[in-house]
Amino acid sequence: NAGVTQTPKFRILKIGQSMTLQCAQDMNHNYMYWYRQDPGMGLKLIYYSVGAGITDKGEVPNGYNVSRSTTEDFPLRLELAAPSQTSVYFCASSRANTEAFFGQGTRLTVV
Amino acid sequence: EDQVTQSPEALRLQEGESSSLNCSYTVSGLRGLFWYRQDPGKGPEFLFTLYSAGEEKEKERLKATLTKKESFLHITAPKPEDSATYLCAVQAWGSSNTGKLIFGQGTTLQVKP
Repeated sequence: NAGVTQTPKFRILKIGQSMTLQCAQDMNHNYMYWYRQDPGMGLKLIYYSVGAGITDKGEVPNGYNVSRSTTEDFPLRLELAAPSQTSVYFCASSRANTEAFFGQGTRLTVV
Repeated sequence: EDQVTQSPEALRLQEGESSSLNCSYTVSGLRGLFWYRQDPGKGPEFLFTLYSAGEEKEKERLKATLTKKESFLHITAPKPEDSATYLCAVQAWGSSNTGKLIFGQGTTLQVKP
């Protein structure tokens, strides 16, 4: 099983550019999440979704947008990239109230 | 405000030297406490879920315990392959219909042969 697949693995953006981080899961999980991980700061929730067509903000949503048109996919959009968005981004999925499964991460650098 | 604090930030052990990692939490009604392992350059990998004080779970050299204020991850006779960052996360009852997790900062464990 592929589990949670994130693309790309690495990306360098210039300030002001935009990009979409892709996330797909093949476990038929309703719940999906985007976290960012900064050194020494743990994982912070950006956005989450409890099903197709339903999304909501997490702890640090500013500068990001999401959509959920299918159960499998949950892309994260960065508009007008800023150096503060340099981080490692993790997508995760779960069934209701069970452990989350994480992707391998996307390392993003904004210069 | 719901909060999770892990200690120590870093831990160096000799192979075979047992120790414990701590996860202290403040949450408005604990639904579940999760332990994850994260290897460098990888995503977190699920280890355990604990739901109520007094509960214990074991996997190989790892044992997780839970009280009303904290959880411990005990590592018995660790091996170099146990080297990783260990993450603790809590889920509050208020978030039970969303699955949201609140993570601690992690403890980076290095086990030397």
